[in-house]
Amino acid sequence: DGGITQSPKYLFRKEGQNVTLSCEQNLNHDAMYWYRQDPGQGLRLIYYSQIVNDFQKGDIAEGYSVSREKKESFPLTVTSAQKNPTAFYLCASSIDTGTSTDTQYFGPGTRLTVL
Amino acid sequence: AQSVTQLGSHVSVSEGALVLLRCNYSSSVPPYLFWYVQYPNQGLQLLLKYTTGATLVKGINGFEAEFKKSETSFHLTKPSAHMSDAAEYFCAVSPMNTGFQKLVFGTGTRLLVSP
Repeated sequence: DGGITQSPKYLFRKEGQNVTLSCEQNLNHDAMYWYRQDPGQGLRLIYYSQIVNDFQKGDIAEGYSVSREKKESFPLTVTSAQKNPTAFYLCASSIDTGTSTDTQYFGPGTRLTVL
Repeated sequence: AQSVTQLGSHVSVSEGALVLLRCNYSSSVPPYLFWYVQYPNQGLQLLLKYTTGATLVKGINGFEAEFKKSETSFHLTKPSAHMSDAAEYFCAVSPMNTGFQKLVFGTGTRLLVSP
Protein backbone atom coordinates (compact mmCIF):
# COMPACT_ATOMS: atom_id res chain seq x y z
CA ASP A 1 0.00 0.00 0.00
CA GLY A 2 1.20 3.51 -0.80
CA GLY A 3 1.48 5.99 1.99
CA ILE A 4 3.56 8.02 4.36
CA THR A 5 5.29 6.55 7.38
CA GLN A 6 6.69 8.47 10.31
CA SER A 7 8.87 7.09 13.04
CA PRO A 8 9.00 6.88 15.92
CA LYS A 9 5.39 7.38 17.03
CA TYR A 10 6.51 8.69 20.42
CA LEU A 11 9.86 10.30 21.18
CA PHE A 12 11.29 11.56 24.43
CA ARG A 13 14.20 13.93 24.52
CA LYS A 14 16.28 15.48 27.24
CA GLU A 15 16.90 19.19 27.09
CA GLY A 16 19.98 20.02 25.04
CA GLN A 17 19.73 16.99 22.76
CA ASN A 18 19.15 16.99 19.04
CA VAL A 19 16.66 14.45 17.74
CA THR A 20 15.73 13.39 14.21
CA LEU A 21 12.23 12.48 13.11
CA SER A 22 11.87 10.20 10.12
CA CYS A 23 9.42 10.66 7.23
CA GLU A 24 9.25 8.30 4.27
CA GLN A 25 6.76 8.18 1.39
CA ASN A 26 6.25 5.70 -1.41
CA LEU A 27 3.70 7.76 -3.31
CA ASN A 28 6.30 9.07 -5.76
CA HIS A 29 5.43 12.62 -4.69
CA ASP A 30 7.81 15.44 -5.43
CA ALA A 31 6.78 17.78 -2.62
CA MET A 32 7.16 17.09 1.07
CA TYR A 33 6.32 19.16 4.15
CA TRP A 34 6.82 19.28 7.90
CA TYR A 35 4.23 20.78 10.23
CA ARG A 36 4.09 21.32 13.94
CA GLN A 37 0.77 20.98 15.77
CA ASP A 38 0.11 22.47 19.19
CA PRO A 39 -3.24 22.38 20.99
CA GLY A 40 -5.50 25.22 19.91
CA GLN A 41 -3.05 26.50 17.29
CA GLY A 42 -3.70 24.36 14.27
CA LEU A 43 -0.80 23.34 12.05
CA ARG A 44 2.17 25.52 11.34
CA LEU A 45 4.62 24.94 8.49
CA ILE A 46 8.24 24.29 9.49
CA TYR A 47 9.94 23.38 6.19
CA TYR A 48 8.96 22.22 2.74
CA SER A 49 10.72 20.73 -0.25
CA GLN A 50 9.63 20.69 -3.87
CA ILE A 51 12.52 18.66 -5.23
CA VAL A 52 15.48 16.59 -4.11
CA ASN A 53 18.36 18.60 -2.68
CA ASP A 54 16.23 21.71 -2.28
CA PHE A 55 14.06 22.92 0.61
CA GLN A 56 12.58 26.15 1.90
CA LYS A 57 11.86 27.56 5.34
CA GLY A 58 8.28 27.75 6.43
CA ASP A 59 6.78 30.01 9.06
CA ILE A 60 8.54 28.55 12.11
CA ALA A 61 11.88 27.13 10.90
CA GLU A 62 14.04 28.43 13.76
CA GLY A 63 15.55 25.57 15.76
CA TYR A 64 14.84 22.97 13.05
CA SER A 65 16.79 21.57 10.13
CA VAL A 66 15.95 19.21 7.25
CA SER A 67 17.56 17.37 4.37
CA ARG A 68 16.21 15.97 1.13
CA GLU A 69 18.79 13.62 -0.28
CA LYS A 70 16.23 11.17 -1.69
CA LYS A 71 12.83 11.77 -3.21
CA GLU A 72 11.10 9.47 -0.74
CA SER A 73 12.72 10.76 2.46
CA PHE A 74 12.52 14.08 4.30
CA PRO A 75 13.92 13.82 7.86
CA LEU A 76 13.48 16.63 10.36
CA THR A 77 16.03 17.40 13.07
CA VAL A 78 14.86 19.23 16.16
CA THR A 79 17.92 20.97 17.52
CA SER A 80 18.71 22.17 21.02
CA ALA A 81 18.10 25.70 19.73
CA GLN A 82 14.36 25.00 19.56
CA LYS A 83 13.12 26.50 22.82
CA ASN A 84 9.81 24.69 23.09
CA PRO A 85 9.98 21.48 21.05
CA THR A 86 7.25 19.49 22.79
CA ALA A 87 4.57 19.08 20.12
CA PHE A 88 2.98 16.73 17.60
CA TYR A 89 4.92 16.70 14.32
CA LEU A 90 3.26 15.85 11.03
CA CYS A 91 4.87 15.09 7.70
CA ALA A 92 2.97 15.41 4.43
CA SER A 93 3.58 14.99 0.74
CA SER A 94 1.89 15.96 -2.51
CA ILE A 95 2.26 15.74 -6.25
CA ASP A 96 3.73 19.06 -7.30
CA THR A 97 1.67 20.13 -10.32
CA GLY A 98 2.94 23.67 -10.19
CA THR A 99 -0.42 24.88 -8.95
CA SER A 100 -1.77 25.30 -5.45
CA THR A 101 -4.65 22.85 -5.87
CA ASP A 102 -2.70 19.74 -4.89
CA THR A 103 -3.90 17.50 -2.09
CA GLN A 104 -1.47 16.96 0.74
CA TYR A 105 -1.35 13.46 2.22
CA PHE A 106 -0.33 13.22 5.86
CA GLY A 107 1.59 10.69 7.88
CA PRO A 108 0.39 9.47 11.30
CA GLY A 109 2.65 11.88 13.20
CA THR A 110 5.37 11.78 15.86
CA ARG A 111 4.69 13.06 19.36
CA LEU A 112 7.84 14.61 20.80
CA THR A 113 8.14 15.28 24.51
CA VAL A 114 11.04 17.06 26.13
CA LEU A 115 11.77 15.83 29.64
CA ALA B 1 -1.24 37.57 4.26
CA GLN B 2 -4.02 35.05 4.18
CA SER B 3 -5.68 33.79 7.31
CA VAL B 4 -8.42 31.40 8.32
CA THR B 5 -10.88 31.73 11.19
CA GLN B 6 -12.81 28.78 12.52
CA LEU B 7 -15.55 29.89 14.87
CA GLY B 8 -15.92 27.61 17.85
CA SER B 9 -13.10 25.45 19.12
CA HIS B 10 -15.69 22.85 20.14
CA VAL B 11 -19.05 21.98 18.61
CA SER B 12 -21.42 19.46 20.23
CA VAL B 13 -24.27 17.74 18.41
CA SER B 14 -26.50 14.77 19.01
CA GLU B 15 -26.33 11.74 16.76
CA GLY B 16 -28.60 12.34 13.78
CA ALA B 17 -28.47 16.14 14.07
CA LEU B 18 -27.14 18.59 11.51
CA VAL B 19 -23.42 19.31 11.65
CA LEU B 20 -22.28 22.86 10.81
CA LEU B 21 -18.64 23.86 11.19
CA ARG B 22 -17.79 27.42 10.26
CA CYS B 23 -14.80 28.69 8.30
CA ASN B 24 -14.08 32.22 7.12
CA TYR B 25 -11.00 33.32 5.25
CA SER B 26 -9.27 36.62 4.82
CA SER B 27 -7.77 37.24 1.41
CA SER B 28 -7.89 39.94 -1.25
CA VAL B 29 -8.19 37.23 -3.88
CA PRO B 30 -10.31 34.14 -3.23
CA PRO B 31 -7.98 31.28 -2.46
CA TYR B 32 -8.35 27.56 -2.90
CA LEU B 33 -10.13 26.07 0.12
CA PHE B 34 -9.79 22.75 1.91
CA TRP B 35 -11.33 20.84 4.81
CA TYR B 36 -9.29 18.16 6.59
CA VAL B 37 -10.32 15.78 9.39
CA GLN B 38 -8.05 14.45 12.14
CA TYR B 39 -8.93 11.50 14.35
CA PRO B 40 -7.16 11.24 17.72
CA ASN B 41 -3.40 10.76 17.47
CA GLN B 42 -3.52 10.44 13.70
CA GLY B 43 -2.58 12.48 10.68
CA LEU B 44 -4.98 14.59 8.65
CA GLN B 45 -7.21 13.30 5.87
CA LEU B 46 -8.72 15.44 3.13
CA LEU B 47 -12.52 15.69 3.30
CA LEU B 48 -13.04 17.99 0.33
CA LYS B 49 -11.60 20.96 -1.52
CA TYR B 50 -12.79 23.85 -3.66
CA THR B 51 -10.60 24.97 -6.53
CA THR B 52 -12.83 26.13 -9.39
CA GLY B 53 -16.28 25.42 -10.79
CA ALA B 54 -19.32 24.51 -8.72
CA THR B 55 -19.34 26.30 -5.40
CA LEU B 56 -21.06 23.41 -3.59
CA VAL B 57 -18.45 20.72 -3.06
CA LYS B 58 -19.22 17.19 -1.94
CA GLY B 59 -16.67 15.21 -0.03
CA ILE B 60 -16.20 11.91 1.73
CA ASN B 61 -18.35 10.55 4.57
CA GLY B 62 -21.38 12.61 3.53
CA PHE B 63 -19.81 16.01 4.16
CA GLU B 64 -20.19 19.00 1.88
CA ALA B 65 -19.15 22.65 1.88
CA GLU B 66 -20.24 25.73 -0.02
CA PHE B 67 -17.90 28.48 -1.15
CA LYS B 68 -19.55 31.88 -0.70
CA LYS B 69 -17.35 34.60 -2.07
CA SER B 70 -19.56 37.43 -0.82
CA GLU B 71 -19.31 36.11 2.73
CA THR B 72 -15.68 34.88 2.43
CA SER B 73 -16.89 31.61 3.89
CA PHE B 74 -16.51 27.89 3.32
CA HIS B 75 -18.66 26.24 5.99
CA LEU B 76 -18.72 22.45 6.33
CA THR B 77 -22.03 20.63 6.78
CA LYS B 78 -23.42 17.14 7.15
CA PRO B 79 -27.17 16.49 7.37
CA SER B 80 -26.99 13.75 10.00
CA ALA B 81 -24.13 13.22 12.45
CA HIS B 82 -22.72 9.79 13.22
CA MET B 83 -20.77 8.86 16.32
CA SER B 84 -17.84 8.11 13.99
CA ASP B 85 -17.75 11.79 12.94
CA ALA B 86 -16.28 12.77 16.30
CA ALA B 87 -12.89 14.25 15.40
CA GLU B 88 -11.10 17.54 14.88
CA TYR B 89 -11.76 19.42 11.68
CA PHE B 90 -9.41 21.91 10.04
CA CYS B 91 -10.17 24.45 7.38
CA ALA B 92 -7.22 25.53 5.24
CA VAL B 93 -6.52 27.92 2.38
CA SER B 94 -3.92 28.06 -0.31
CA PRO B 95 -3.35 31.13 -2.47
CA MET B 96 -4.13 30.76 -6.16
CA ASN B 97 -1.49 30.60 -8.83
CA THR B 98 1.59 30.76 -6.68
CA GLY B 99 3.15 27.83 -8.46
CA PHE B 100 3.31 25.88 -5.23
CA GLN B 101 0.84 24.95 -2.53
CA LYS B 102 1.39 26.47 0.88
CA LEU B 103 -1.52 25.69 3.16
CA VAL B 104 -2.57 28.04 5.93
CA PHE B 105 -4.64 26.21 8.54
CA GLY B 106 -7.28 27.40 10.93
CA THR B 107 -7.03 26.50 14.60
CA GLY B 108 -9.46 23.62 14.26
CA THR B 109 -12.90 22.70 15.59
CA ARG B 110 -13.42 19.61 17.68
CA LEU B 111 -16.73 17.92 16.92
CA LEU B 112 -18.34 16.02 19.78
CA VAL B 113 -21.22 13.66 18.99
CA SER B 114 -23.46 12.40 21.76
CA PRO B 115 -25.84 9.42 21.56
